[in-house]
Amino acid sequence: DAGVIQSPRHEVTEMGQEVTLRCKPISGHNSLFWYRQTMMRGLELLIYFNNNVPIDDSGMPEDRFSAKMPNASFSTLKIQPSEPRDSAVYFCASTRTRKLFFGSGTQLSVL
Amino acid sequence: GQQLNQSPQSMFIQEGEDVSMNCTSSSIFNTWLWYKQEPGEGPVLLIALYKAGELTSNGRLTAQFGITRKDSFLNISASIPSDVGIYFCAGQGAQKLVFGQGTRLTINP
Repeated sequence: DAGVIQSPRHEVTEMGQEVTLRCKPISGHNSLFWYRQTMMRGLELLIYFNNNVPIDDSGMPEDRFSAKMPNASFSTLKIQPSEPRDSAVYFCASTRTRKLFFGSGTQLSVL
Repeated sequence: GQQLNQSPQSMFIQEGEDVSMNCTSSSIFNTWLWYKQEPGEGPVLLIALYKAGELTSNGRLTAQFGITRKDSFLNISASIPSDVGIYFCAGQGAQKLVFGQGTRLTINP
């Protein structure tokens, strides 16, 4: 079975550019989570959706970050404009129980 | 908010040794999860615990849900080189899943 699929795996961009990260959750999972991982702060929850509806976006750093889930099989996390401090690994995860399954992440570097 | 204290932060051991790590919290959790992360990959679920006092094994890994519901430990017996990685605990209470800071395991062959 396919796991959580994220794209791209790596993204290098310049400060000020728009960045869009994509995620396809595991089929049948009704909750989707976006996490950011850095050495300093570890794994931080940015936002999560339940049945495609955003439930808690209190972890979204600021208005430059936005996330959408137009259907049960796709979600995006957008950063506009990007800044060097946004450099991190961004993970998408999904579940239909209490077990969370992660994608391989997108390594974002903002120069 | 809820926070987890995971220890130790790093471990350097010889192949064949047993490993023990733990997480504690000031909050009560209903679920404890243990993950392993290897370089360039996302965390992979190792063990899930749902009841206070529960002891669960997965091969050489054993984890327990503390009786107070505020702590959990993970043991790895007879470590092998492929056990290298970062191990994370995660606790679920009334709110969202909270992750520990991770234990980085290094094994000398």
